[in-house]
Amino acid sequence: NAGVMQNPRHLVRRRGQEARLRCSPMKGHSHVYWYRQLPEEGLKFMVYLQKENIIDESGMPKERFSAEFPKEGPSILRIQQVVRGDSAAYFCASSPRHTAGETQYFGPGTRLLVL
Amino acid sequence: QQQVKQSPQSLIVQKGGISIINCAYENTAFDYFPWYQQFPGKGPALLIAIRPDVSEKKEGRFTISFNKSAKQFSLHIMDSQPGDSATYFCAAGENNDMRFGAGTRLTVKP
Repeated sequence: NAGVMQNPRHLVRRRGQEARLRCSPMKGHSHVYWYRQLPEEGLKFMVYLQKENIIDESGMPKERFSAEFPKEGPSILRIQQVVRGDSAAYFCASSPRHTAGETQYFGPGTRLLVL
Repeated sequence: QQQVKQSPQSLIVQKGGISIINCAYENTAFDYFPWYQQFPGKGPALLIAIRPDVSEKKEGRFTISFNKSAKQFSLHIMDSQPGDSATYFCAAGENNDMRFGAGTRLTVKP
């Protein structure tokens, strides 16, 4: 059973370009979480999605950032008009249920560098 | 608003020693407290977790101590090994809405 997959693993963008980060959850998992990790910092929650629905986007910047989890295909975190401050590692995690005590399994992350 | 405070930021321990990392949380509704281990260039991986109905959980060399009244929990790594050198994150959450501490970079010297 493959784990959570993320691609690309590394992404370089120039200021003003768009970044698309993909996350394929573990088989059987319908809940996806996105986190951002800045250098020397912890994981900051961004958004929680269930198939075709955004459940909680309280941690996501109001502008330039969007996320989706379509019925078919991976979850996508999209950053428009990237700025240098967007440089970070972005991790997604998945779980089979959104209940207490349910483990979130993390992918290897996408490291975004904005030049 | 920082809901989970973790300390220390970094920790250096000799091989064979005990590593202790502490976390404090604010929300009394939190009902799940996992610890994650992250190696450079990798994603966090679940190490051990505890629910608030117990005060301690042990798995091999790793122990979580939980103090509900103080809203604190800690990770103890016994007989620390160089292979334990990694960044450790505590987390706390309610119904799988997890909030993470800032992380502790552990270095175990041989």
